[in-house]
Amino acid sequence: QKEVEQNSGPLSVPEGAIASLNCTYSDRGSQSFFWYRQYSGKSPELIMFIYSNGDKEDGRFTAQLNKASQYVSLLIRDSQPSDSATYLCAVIRAGGGNKLTFGTGTQLKVEL
Amino acid sequence: KAGVTQTPRYLIKTRGQQVTLSCSPISGHRSVSWYQQTPGQGLQFLFEYFSETQRNKGNFPGRFSGRQFSNSRSEMNVSTLELGDSALYLCASSIGRAQETQYFGPGTRLLVL
Repeated sequence: QKEVEQNSGPLSVPEGAIASLNCTYSDRGSQSFFWYRQYSGKSPELIMFIYSNGDKEDGRFTAQLNKASQYVSLLIRDSQPSDSATYLCAVIRAGGGNKLTFGTGTQLKVEL
Repeated sequence: KAGVTQTPRYLIKTRGQQVTLSCSPISGHRSVSWYQQTPGQGLQFLFEYFSETQRNKGNFPGRFSGRQFSNSRSEMNVSTLELGDSALYLCASSIGRAQETQYFGPGTRLLVL
């Protein structure tokens, strides 16, 4: 079982729709959770981080964390073609310093 | 503030050679982490340096090493290159506390022939 799992996609959504990206993790000691966006040929760009159970909103993005279910998600409202990218979920375990463990990423395609 | 910078951006080497990559963190950031990204394995943690000391290490062979200087700039070295070392090498910086957000540089794309 991988430490961080994501569906590879592609996830296709029409422009203006809500895109829902999901991530599960295996280590209950995971404490910090991050979403990065990576365009093809570019480096990962931080979108959001979340530490506590519940929802965290930033503009069109909402991160949701459920530690009991070991599940973290990212919602993108009013999806735009420019949101088309690979979305990487990453976690840091307790005592892990700043070691990010990444999922393999979900490719999102926003269609006109 | 300027972002994380990495040099060189592209590199071509042959098997058996060694390579040194450089990373300058965001001003004021004292932690530098290195990651390897390949299509098959995804993003994998190599090591983290803080205040010139290795704070964390991933599961890579000893051919991969790094160091950090007093100005927080970091270098990583790969000796005896293998074809499988071809990858995008990413550096990320953070202020220095644990469990922090990290900001990635543009990466160095290494091709081993």
